[in-house]
Amino acid sequence: DAGVTQSPTHLIKTRGQQVTLRCSPKSGHDTVSWYQQALGQGPQFIFQYYEEEERQRGNFPDRFSGHQFPNYSSELNVNALLLGDSALYLCASSLRTGGATDTQYFGPGTRLTVL
Amino acid sequence: AQSVTQLGSHVSVSEGALVLLRCNYSSSVPPYLFWYVQYPNQGLQLLLKYTTGATLVKGINGFEAEFKKSETSFHLTKPSAHMSDAAEYFCAVSNAGGTSYGKLTFGQGTILTVHP
Repeated sequence: DAGVTQSPTHLIKTRGQQVTLRCSPKSGHDTVSWYQQALGQGPQFIFQYYEEEERQRGNFPDRFSGHQFPNYSSELNVNALLLGDSALYLCASSLRTGGATDTQYFGPGTRLTVL
Repeated sequence: AQSVTQLGSHVSVSEGALVLLRCNYSSSVPPYLFWYVQYPNQGLQLLLKYTTGATLVKGINGFEAEFKKSETSFHLTKPSAHMSDAAEYFCAVSNAGGTSYGKLTFGQGTILTVHP
């Protein structure tokens, strides 16, 4: 059973560019959350998708947007990249059973470097 | 609002010694608490979680944590450290309720080093 997969593994962009990161959830999961982990920090919640809609959002600007597809996979888009966007971007999937304790399974992440 | 504070960004122990990683939380409603481990160049793996009921929670790899409401703490322990335990550990909190479903708030992390 494949776990959460993310692509690409690493990415280098320059300031002002746009980037798209992809995530495939664990088999049977319907909810995808995205987190940003800056170097030396804990992950910070960006947003969550369920039923192809953004259900909640953390304290991130509108430059960060996402999408969920009918097969539950998801994309994270970041526009007008800033140096401060350099981080490890983690995708987590879960099966929404109605409780906040639903276990989130994390992928290996995409390392984004903005030059 | 909810928050997590992990006391000690680095903890060093000898192999076979007790591991104690400290976590304090702040939450306006009863919290759900988690410990995750992150090995280099990998994602996060769930060690254990507290929801309701028994306050002593056992997880994988011999780790356990105790929820103490009066102290707003959820410290992680392991009786005997193994070299393979060397990693970064994150404490996280989430709340019940539809508007905050599944949103994890993480601490800053604690890097555990295990010496032979």
